[in-house]
Amino acid sequence: QTVVTQEPSFSVSPGGTVTLTCGLSSGSVSTSYYPNWYQQSPGQAPRTLIYNTNTRSSGVPDRFSGSILGNKAALTITGAQADDEAEYYCVLFMGSGISVFGGGTKLTVL
Amino acid sequence: QVQLQQWGAGLLKPSETLSLTCVVYGGSFSGYYWSWIRQPPGKGLEWIGEINHSGRTNYNPSLKSRVTISLDTSKNQFSLRLTSVTAADTAVYYCARRVPIGSGLRFDPWGQGTLVTVSS
Repeated sequence: QTVVTQEPSFSVSPGGTVTLTCGLSSGSVSTSYYPNWYQQSPGQAPRTLIYNTNTRSSGVPDRFSGSILGNKAALTITGAQADDEAEYYCVLFMGSGISVFGGGTKLTVL
Repeated sequence: QVQLQQWGAGLLKPSETLSLTCVVYGGSFSGYYWSWIRQPPGKGLEWIGEINHSGRTNYNPSLKSRVTISLDTSKNQFSLRLTSVTAADTAVYYCARRVPIGSGLRFDPWGQGTLVTVSS
């Protein structure tokens, strides 16, 4: 059973930089998994932030960026703002038609 | 602009069958996979499965024995059936379009979500 790992929570100061990661319980994340990142505010459907590792979805501010750091996918927020406080989910596409979401990271901006 | 609108029964008893439908407005069925994703209250997202315009399906192995995803191209809609539900199936269920690799593999757009509660 593939498990995608994310930090349960993270905190960042307004204007600060934070990097959230997305890993695999066994193995390394590469671009071959086409990592996506989604932002979800309470009561809302998820919003696509990043796809194909590092492509920003339409309308997403450039303070959000995606990359591979070591053996994980990463989402970096540079210059965090109050309305970036949300839950962030990654998803990996396993190549067998199966998609696996990470458990999500609750980001607090304070 | 493609939009997804979903509906279905919101309250079920244990052992009943969950049934949800998602209609696609403003876009073609062809070339995409049409997905269901759920989120238990206060928990993370779980991919349930998907179907393409040809009827090919992929399912989450942990749910495969209870899940059927089907589509009706004449009505531009696709559906989810989940049998023998229990309280553990209580969740907000989302439909979503999965964009193919060549166009930027991602789930986009998403439906508005439907809360399904399983309770006796």
